[in-house]
Amino acid sequence: AQTVTQSQPEMSVQEAETVTLSCTYDTSESDYYLFWYKQPPSRQMILVIRQEAYKQQNATENRFSVNFQKAAKSFSLKISDSQLGDAAMYFCACQETSGSRLTFGEGTQLTVNP
Amino acid sequence: EAGVTQSPTHLIKTRGQQATLRCSPISGHTSVYWYQQALGLGLQFLLWYDEGEERNRGNFPPRFSGRQFPNYSSELNVNALELEDSALYLCASSFGWSGELFFGEGSRLTVL
Repeated sequence: AQTVTQSQPEMSVQEAETVTLSCTYDTSESDYYLFWYKQPPSRQMILVIRQEAYKQQNATENRFSVNFQKAAKSFSLKISDSQLGDAAMYFCACQETSGSRLTFGEGTQLTVNP
Repeated sequence: EAGVTQSPTHLIKTRGQQATLRCSPISGHTSVYWYQQALGLGLQFLLWYDEGEERNRGNFPPRFSGRQFPNYSSELNVNALELEDSALYLCASSFGWSGELFFGEGSRLTVL
């Protein structure tokens, strides 16, 4: 069974600064996907970024990028030039391609200070 | 294009009652997932339906059940409600087995 761990329940960052959210995972499969989802107070989960495990290149989406360390089973999210709208709960998730279900970490509450 | 829609937005029940939550996936999506998000906890996987069949089930008791209809919409039923069933129930849909999951805004169930 896959597990996902986020060791930072809360993080804060100053507007325009950079913050990194940590995530480690464990899976017995060689083929899987990793995700970061954002859940603002409106409750709707929004996909931030996705990484295929077979790709060595780290995924990037505008101000969001990941540091994927497959051997260490680490998948951190870096948010550059933080904006007030980035404030939300961030969830790391792992999806094994065989079973399709998404396993989520406990979440990290990000606060952006003006 | 409409996203994943869930109803009701809020639901209040008492212990022992039954709750039914509904989800309409994005048009063209065949897979529907249900997650429970209790206060202070992460998202716990409940059920996965694809093409009308239950494909996977999380570690929840049998009083949590559901189904998927021919139009791919889905229902989650919770029988014999307990206080700890109070949570936000999120539905997500995807196209196929390894597609990105798109989430609805959830149904907030309160059990008194």
